[in-house]
Amino acid sequence: AQKITQTQPGMFVQEKEAVTLDCTYDTSDQSYGLFWYKQPSSGEMIFLIYQGSYDEQNATEGRYSLNFQKARKSANLVISASQLGDSAMYFCAMRETDSNYQLIWGAGTKLIIKP
Amino acid sequence: DGGITQSPKYLFRKEGQNVTLSCEQNLNHDAMYWYRQDPGQGLRLIYYSQIVNDFQKGDIAEGYSVSREKKESFPLTVTSAQKNPTAFYLCASIAPGWNYGYTFGSGTRLTVV
Repeated sequence: AQKITQTQPGMFVQEKEAVTLDCTYDTSDQSYGLFWYKQPSSGEMIFLIYQGSYDEQNATEGRYSLNFQKARKSANLVISASQLGDSAMYFCAMRETDSNYQLIWGAGTKLIIKP
Repeated sequence: DGGITQSPKYLFRKEGQNVTLSCEQNLNHDAMYWYRQDPGQGLRLIYYSQIVNDFQKGDIAEGYSVSREKKESFPLTVTSAQKNPTAFYLCASIAPGWNYGYTFGSGTRLTVV
């Protein structure tokens, strides 16, 4: 079974609009962490935001926020006021307890911002 | 500035040839990882190392080998046993601590010719 599911293979969004990228996860651990990464066409992976399973507040980093709904096992990334430079692949990943710091990755969502 | 350097950026391999991808970090991180990425897919773990002179297989280790003789270096060799090596390879390291994500290199794109 997929542990990380990103159901949107691709999305088009108008510049300056907000965008939500979906991520659902599956784990039986009580302690885990969720990550979002951005991969521009150049290929490097850029860390965006982290949410711990025990964090009571949703994580925020500048224009990025994580809509964490623990009961639903979802960790959606919200990008406010999208910019042309936000066009990239976005990956959701999870770290479970005793995972030797390994991350389990989703298949990604390709986001294209239209001018 | 601290970071991870991967080289070369592009690599071409002939059939039956072994090639080695370089990964060097100056972040003083103990743990290092090699991932493979195929078009339209997420990352799959090849090998990882948590300490010098020790490494473990990931999900797709067949046809690959690694060494960790120095903390800073974690080279990946793609052997002739890897039948479909064309892919994008990413090296990563991580600082100790639960909430830290990986720091990635800029990747090596390997193509079989």
